[in-house]
Amino acid sequence: AQSVTQLDSQVPVFEEAPVELRCNYSSSVSVYLFWYVQYPNQGLQLLLKYLSGSTLVKGINGFEAEFNKSQTSFHLRKPSVHISDTAEYFCAVSPSGTYKYIFGTGTRLKVLA
Amino acid sequence: KAGVTQTPRYLIKTRGQQVTLSCSPISGHRSVSWYQQTPGQGLQFLFEYFSETQRNKGNFPGRFSGRQFSNSRSEMNVSTLELGDSALYLCASSLDPTGIPYNEQFFGPGTRLTVL
Repeated sequence: AQSVTQLDSQVPVFEEAPVELRCNYSSSVSVYLFWYVQYPNQGLQLLLKYLSGSTLVKGINGFEAEFNKSQTSFHLRKPSVHISDTAEYFCAVSPSGTYKYIFGTGTRLKVLA
Repeated sequence: KAGVTQTPRYLIKTRGQQVTLSCSPISGHRSVSWYQQTPGQGLQFLFEYFSETQRNKGNFPGRFSGRQFSNSRSEMNVSTLELGDSALYLCASSLDPTGIPYNEQFFGPGTRLTVL
């Protein structure tokens, strides 16, 4: 069975500082990897996805993530955060060919002034 | 192009009642998935419909059911509501083109259900 682990439930960080949100997964088959963001009282919005090819993927709002197959990780990074990045971030995997998504429990990013 | 819409946005019910939630996918999208989001459990997959057929199902009791209509609109129903059913219910649609082994899901704003 597949699973996704987001070890950090909350991450406080000061404005303009860098941030990394961690995501590890387990799967016996190849997976596609996604990061979503959820702002208060809204649905989820896709930040970026890894399907194949280059292990460094760039997304919207200045976010990027790196796929590390040997460590089964897909950590999300941003070099300089803004107050508006305060939101909950979800990592998800979709096992190839299944059309199913398995989500992590989310990381609440709080950007402090 | 309009996004995924869900109605109603907020709902209050009492234990034992039943509820029906509605989801209209993005035009042209044929796959609709439902998720339950709670603070402790995160997003839990309920089920996925494609061309009016349930293609995937999560680990929820039979009180949770759904259906999809020929226009791809979907409804989910929860019977005999329990306090623990209080959650944000999210619907997501995807294009599901043949030959591509993944779905990029687009989420609606959710329906917040409170069971008293």
